[in-house]
Amino acid sequence: QKEVEQNSGPLSVPEGAIASLNCTYSDRGSQSFFWYRQYSGKSPELIMFIYSNGDKEDGRFTAQLNKASQYVSLLIRDSQPSDSATYLCAVNVWGSNYKLTFGKGTLLTVNP
Amino acid sequence: DVKVTQSSRYLVKRTGEKVFLECVQDMDHENMFWYRQDPGLGLRLIYFSYDVKMKEKGDIPEGYSVSREKKERFSLILESASTNQTSMYLCASRGRPEGGGYTFGSGTRLTVV
Repeated sequence: QKEVEQNSGPLSVPEGAIASLNCTYSDRGSQSFFWYRQYSGKSPELIMFIYSNGDKEDGRFTAQLNKASQYVSLLIRDSQPSDSATYLCAVNVWGSNYKLTFGKGTLLTVNP
Repeated sequence: DVKVTQSSRYLVKRTGEKVFLECVQDMDHENMFWYRQDPGLGLRLIYFSYDVKMKEKGDIPEGYSVSREKKERFSLILESASTNQTSMYLCASRGRPEGGGYTFGSGTRLTVV
């Protein structure tokens, strides 16, 4: 069973702080990794994806991948109340016919 | 802007009815997926299709079927709706070669009464 694990939260941070969201995965054949943001009652939207070990930055967001330790994380700098949402980690395993395996998500609350 | 369009945002159906959920994408993507999302259970894959007329079962196909007669359209069918199929249904598509994740539709909130 290919699994993706996330802390369900809620993770609460003050406005302006760094929010750190973590995800671990069980299948070493995992090749690509995605972070989605989902506001309550809405569908998930893609924030970032990462394929290679290391960091990838996009504005206030940084994705970090460590394949040896099988974890991927998302850092949100200068957190804003509008960042309050559920963040879903998703993993693509090679040979999985383009399917993504999702974690259950971490609820982030940014307090003004 | 690329889009995945689901035909209904909210739907209320009676137990035993046959229900059709439609999804259309304008990105010429080969792969399309149907998920349901329930509190505490996350996203669960019902069916997916990697080409026209091709389909594969996901993790929870029981009580559902799908149809993909055209590349842009992927339909989910609830053969005989039951109250335990009340859920948020999400359609997604993804292209080849691998170059990004899914694009999701806006979702259909289905209530079976």
